[in-house]
Amino acid sequence: AQSVTQLDSHVSVSEGTPVLLRCNYSSSYSPSLFWYVQHPNKGLQLLLKYTSAATLVKGINGFEAEFKKSETSFHLTKPSAHMSDAAEYFCVASKTSYDKVIFGPGTSLSVIP
Amino acid sequence: GAVVSQHPSWVICKSGTSVKIECRSLDFQATTMFWYRQFPKQSLMLMATSNEGSKATYEQGVEKDKFLINHASLTLSTLTVTSAHPEDSSFYICSAGGTILGTGELFFGEGSRLTVL
Repeated sequence: AQSVTQLDSHVSVSEGTPVLLRCNYSSSYSPSLFWYVQHPNKGLQLLLKYTSAATLVKGINGFEAEFKKSETSFHLTKPSAHMSDAAEYFCVASKTSYDKVIFGPGTSLSVIP
Repeated sequence: GAVVSQHPSWVICKSGTSVKIECRSLDFQATTMFWYRQFPKQSLMLMATSNEGSKATYEQGVEKDKFLINHASLTLSTLTVTSAHPEDSSFYICSAGGTILGTGELFFGEGSRLTVL
């Protein structure tokens, strides 16, 4: 069975410091992986996606993620946090196709001024 | 990117009434749309897959008669919460895209906050 784990339910960082949000997946095949961000009472916005091309993926707003097959991980990073980055982040894996996906439980990011 | 629009964004209703939420793909046609439910501080839970011109496919544990889904056209899917009760209060989100657009990316609506009094 395919699953997505986000190890931290909540992460708090100071503004200007690096961000690391962890994601691990389990799958019998190489999945497509996505990171989405959700601000309060809003829908989800795609930050970046991995679809078996380059393992280091760059996204919007300075975020990037690296796909490590040996570790079954797809951690999200950003060199310097901004206040506007405070939101909920979801790691998502594709199931059978790109359409039906598996959501991780989410990580709430707080940015301290 | 593609745009998926949901309406209404907020709705408050009395217990026992029915509420309809619309999900529209504004600049592409979607034969398949997905409906999710999100409880506070939790992840999205897939409720059902909406198929244009045919019956929706519901996930295990989701009441088909409670959550009616209609996908009458290639750009519109509706979710009707029938005889709503306070426990139906939640954030409902739809999505579309994926292989339809060839990008592998699902586009999400802004969500609809339902509060049942």
